[in-house]
Amino acid sequence: AQSVTQLDSHVSVSEGTPVLLRCNYSSSYSPSLFWYVQHPNKGLQLLLKYTSAATLVKGINGFEAEFKKSETSFHLTKPSAHMSDAAEYFCAIHSGGYNKLIFGAGTRLAVHP
Amino acid sequence: NAGVTQTPKFRVLKTGQSMTLLCAQDMNHEYMYWYRQDPGMGLRLIHYSVGEGTTAKGEVPDGYNVSRLKKQNFLLGLESAAPSQTSVYFCASSYRASGGAAYNEQFFGPGTRLTVL
Repeated sequence: AQSVTQLDSHVSVSEGTPVLLRCNYSSSYSPSLFWYVQHPNKGLQLLLKYTSAATLVKGINGFEAEFKKSETSFHLTKPSAHMSDAAEYFCAIHSGGYNKLIFGAGTRLAVHP
Repeated sequence: NAGVTQTPKFRVLKTGQSMTLLCAQDMNHEYMYWYRQDPGMGLRLIHYSVGEGTTAKGEVPDGYNVSRLKKQNFLLGLESAAPSQTSVYFCASSYRASGGAAYNEQFFGPGTRLTVL
């Protein structure tokens, strides 16, 4: 069965410092993995996706994630946080057909001046 | 294009009342989905549809019904609302995976905040 675990429910960083949001996955086959962002009172927006091509995936707004099969991880990073990055971030894994997804519990990112 | 829209944005119900949430998409997507979002639990799939006239159960279907009479619309119904159905509901849609693509991304609506008293 497919599943994802987001290791931190809350992460707090200062503006200009690096961001690391952690996601581990479990999959019975080669997975497709995704990061979505949700700003307050908004819907979810796709940040990036891994679908078995390059293991380092670049997304929007300077975010990137690296797929590590040996560690079953897909952590999201950004070199320098901006105040506008404050949001909730969801890791998700493709589960079965019809583009269905299973989501992690989410990580709320706070960015302080 | 408006993308995925949801109606209403907010609703308060009393226990036992019924209501219907409407999702509309203008991207000609084949697949549509209803999720609920609860604190600390991420998004969980309620029902989904892979085409007009077809629906299927997701992870948490109990207490909900759906219909997809037109390709662009996907309705979520609560026949007898319960406080446990207080949540934020999201609709999403996507193209059918084709041409060897393992996955096509889902596009999300802005959500409906439902409170059941």
